[in-house]
Amino acid sequence: QKEVEQNSGPLSVPEGAIASLNCTYSDRVSQSFFWYRQYSGKSPELIMSIYSNGDKEDGRFTAQLNKASQYVSLLIRDSQPSDSATYLCAVNRNNFNKFYFGSGTKLNVKP
Amino acid sequence: KAGVTQTPRYLIKTRGQQVTLSCSPISGHRSVSWYQQTPGQGLQFLFEYFSETQRNKGNFPGRFSGRQFSNSRSEMNVSTLELGDSALYLCASSGRDATDTQYFGPGTRLTVL
Repeated sequence: QKEVEQNSGPLSVPEGAIASLNCTYSDRVSQSFFWYRQYSGKSPELIMSIYSNGDKEDGRFTAQLNKASQYVSLLIRDSQPSDSATYLCAVNRNNFNKFYFGSGTKLNVKP
Repeated sequence: KAGVTQTPRYLIKTRGQQVTLSCSPISGHRSVSWYQQTPGQGLQFLFEYFSETQRNKGNFPGRFSGRQFSNSRSEMNVSTLELGDSALYLCASSGRDATDTQYFGPGTRLTVL
């Protein structure tokens, strides 16, 4: 079983729609959770971090964490073509900065 | 605050050669992690250094090694290069705590011919 699992996609949504990206993790002791966006040929850039159960909103992005069910999700409202990228879910257990990354979900936002 | 820097950005080597990549973390960050990213395998963790000590290591052969200097700059070395080592090598820096975010550098694109 992989530490972090994501649907590889591609996930296609029309411009202006809500994109929903999901991620599950295997280790219950995981403490911190991150969403990164990666454009083709570029390095990952941080979108959001979340540490507590519930929702965390930042602009058009909302991260949701449910530790009991061991899943993290990212909602992108009013999706734009510029949001087209691969979204990586990352989990950090409490063992000193060893991050586990999912394989990423490719999002296509169609104009 | 300057971001994570990596040099060189691009490298072309031939099989059997060795290569050294460099990473300078964000000022004040003492943890540096290295990842290999390939289209088929995604982001694979290589190792993590904190205060010149390797704290975590991924499942890579001994041809992959690294070190960290007292100023937190880090290098990784790959010896006896193989075709399969062609990848984007990413460095990320973070603070000390487990909740600290990792910030990535632009990466070094290594091509092995």
